[in-house]
Amino acid sequence: DAGVIQSPRHEVTEMGQEVTLRCKPISGHNSLFWYRQTMMRGLELLIYFNNNVPIDDSGMPEDRFSAKMPNASFSTLKIQPSEPRDSAVYFCASSLEGLTTEAFFGQGTRLTVV
Amino acid sequence: GNSVTQMEGPVTLSEEAFLTINCTYTATGYPSLFWYVQYPGEGLQLLLKATKADDKGSNKGFEATYRKETTSFHLEKGSVQVSDSAVYFCALKQGNMLTFGGGTRLMVKP
Repeated sequence: DAGVIQSPRHEVTEMGQEVTLRCKPISGHNSLFWYRQTMMRGLELLIYFNNNVPIDDSGMPEDRFSAKMPNASFSTLKIQPSEPRDSAVYFCASSLEGLTTEAFFGQGTRLTVV
Repeated sequence: GNSVTQMEGPVTLSEEAFLTINCTYTATGYPSLFWYVQYPGEGLQLLLKATKADDKGSNKGFEATYRKETTSFHLEKGSVQVSDSAVYFCALKQGNMLTFGGGTRLMVKP
């Protein structure tokens, strides 16, 4: 398996524009996580899906952020409108359901909003 | 709620020095515990894990023991290399939720 695949790797956009980040989890994994990493706040969990259903979105910063998982092999994180403070590295991770199973991370998308 | 506390970095060591990165956790019940490593420009990778009390996880010369009595999972390595320079994250898993610590940057000098 190629692992968790995220696209794009880098995104530079202007304030106010819509940004869509994409994630393909490892085949067979039924849990998917979106994280945001910044120097100031470290690694923050934004949202978690299980079997394509959002289970916990309490980490989503505000209504400008939305996430979907239309099927088991694809998820998106959308920011509309984007703001400079959204600049961060966004990671997607997937795992098998269960207490002892580890999460596998993608390479991340580095987002810069100017 | 669950939480993970790691020692603040950066930790700077000379090659072949002994490494300890402290990690303590707060959780109800019996979580699984993990150490992840992040090299520059990459995502997090699993380094080792332990799923029950007194278990020892080990990989690439790194070790950590699940200590329920002290709610700790300290990472150790007997002799670090320059290539170990990275950010290390301690994490716990309860149910299906992973909770990470703030990360500790390790810098190893030749």
